[in-house]
Amino acid sequence: ELQLVESGGGLVQPGRSLRLSCTASGFTFGEYAMHWVRLVPGKGLEWVSGINWLGDRVNYADSVKGRVTISRDNAKNSLYLQMNSLRSEDMALYYCAKDKGPEFRSGYVDYWGQGTLVTVSS
Amino acid sequence: SYVLTQPPSVSVAPGEAARVTCGGDNIGGKNVHWYQQKPGQAPVVVMYNDNDRPSGIPERFSGSNSGNTATLTISRVGAGDEADYYCQVWDSSSDHYVFGTGTKVTVL
Repeated sequence: ELQLVESGGGLVQPGRSLRLSCTASGFTFGEYAMHWVRLVPGKGLEWVSGINWLGDRVNYADSVKGRVTISRDNAKNSLYLQMNSLRSEDMALYYCAKDKGPEFRSGYVDYWGQGTLVTVSS
Repeated sequence: SYVLTQPPSVSVAPGEAARVTCGGDNIGGKNVHWYQQKPGQAPVVVMYNDNDRPSGIPERFSGSNSGNTATLTISRVGAGDEADYYCQVWDSSSDHYVFGTGTKVTVL
């Protein structure tokens, strides 16, 4: 059974950092692009970042660019999101999401984790 | 950046059809995908590439895409279809995935 399990969320003060992790199982992780998507309370889904199967192509939403780094370790079946200089508007439920294909061109998400909650507050 | 606009809410009587629209500049030239999200659950893809249904999604779900509007239609709506629905595209100019603003479907 395909599983994506996120961890690393929690309460953090504005300006601090947090590293989210996602452990995948049930499929060949290294063959697919992966994403982080967040559910912002009262607003909806927002794509945060994507990384292709090899990890040599990444991209970020304008709202997080320069503050966030996505990475993956195919040997460990793991996806990461390093989040720096956190702001109140980053508060959300963060989903790890598997792309349908190895690249994220004309693609979509076919599996989602259950999410990890990030709360930014002093 | 590319923007996808959806109505905040759609209400429909049981057994009727619900139509959720997704507006974007020349969206007809893009592949549109739709997700259903129920409270406390992760999203689920219910339509991909405009009008393809993943296995396990009922035939009551259909999609279309032309011009500046894509539409997800849910026929014979039941209480189990109550959820938030989001459209999504890949924007080639920014190389970003873009989600619509989301529509809450309520069964009366």
